Amino acid sequence: QLQQSGPGLLKPSQTLSLTCAISGDSVSSNSAAWNWIRQSPSRGLEWLGRTYYRSKWYNDYAVSVKSRIIINPDTSRNQVSLHLNSVTPEDTAVYYCGRDLTGTTPGDFWGQGTLVIVSS
Amino acid sequence: ESVLTQSPGTLSLSPGERATLSCRASQSVATDYLAWYQQKPGQAPRLLIYGAFIRATGIPDRFSGSGSGTDFTLTISRLEPEDFAVYYCQQFGRSLFTFGPGTRVDIK
Repeated sequence: QLQQSGPGLLKPSQTLSLTCAISGDSVSSNSAAWNWIRQSPSRGLEWLGRTYYRSKWYNDYAVSVKSRIIINPDTSRNQVSLHLNSVTPEDTAVYYCGRDLTGTTPGDFWGQGTLVIVSS
Repeated sequence: ESVLTQSPGTLSLSPGERATLSCRASQSVATDYLAWYQQKPGQAPRLLIYGAFIRATGIPDRFSGSGSGTDFTLTISRLEPEDFAVYYCQQFGRSLFTFGPGTRVDIK
């Protein structure tokens, strides 16, 4: 199970921070990848990035957000976090975390989603 | 960067009918790297098919995927009431993961 949490309302220039608490699996699994995806009417489904452990930690980020994003695993809490800085109204979307075991998708199982609105 | 297009935009069908959804890529996609999702209102997308034709865990066998290269198809053999939803294709490539715009399957 993936349980998302974090604030739903931000002002422009603030940092979006969401967490995805993992149960029934380990963030340090050698076979899973942990992804963040967002969805908005204007941009559709957009993959943002992922973290995964294969003897060491790896991260991949979408080019569109690469300068503003950090995805961190937290092994002590078995969760993964998303930080997106300098948000604008264009970052308004439903944000999802996803676990992937297939190696070729951003999620064979997704969290419930968090609506984040960026507005002054 | 390869772009995915889906057709039709909306498919209006009755329960029990066959649904055929198309996904076309602007550049060839390795078969292993094409997936399909189902999304219902207010819910997260659910993985149906990966590797172009492999059903995800728990997915009924009325859902099937086919295709290769730039043309892929999701077929629902007999629509059940719970199948009316939006369907997205997704590829894994140089830009990692990108999605198509979706096909809505609604009740005729």
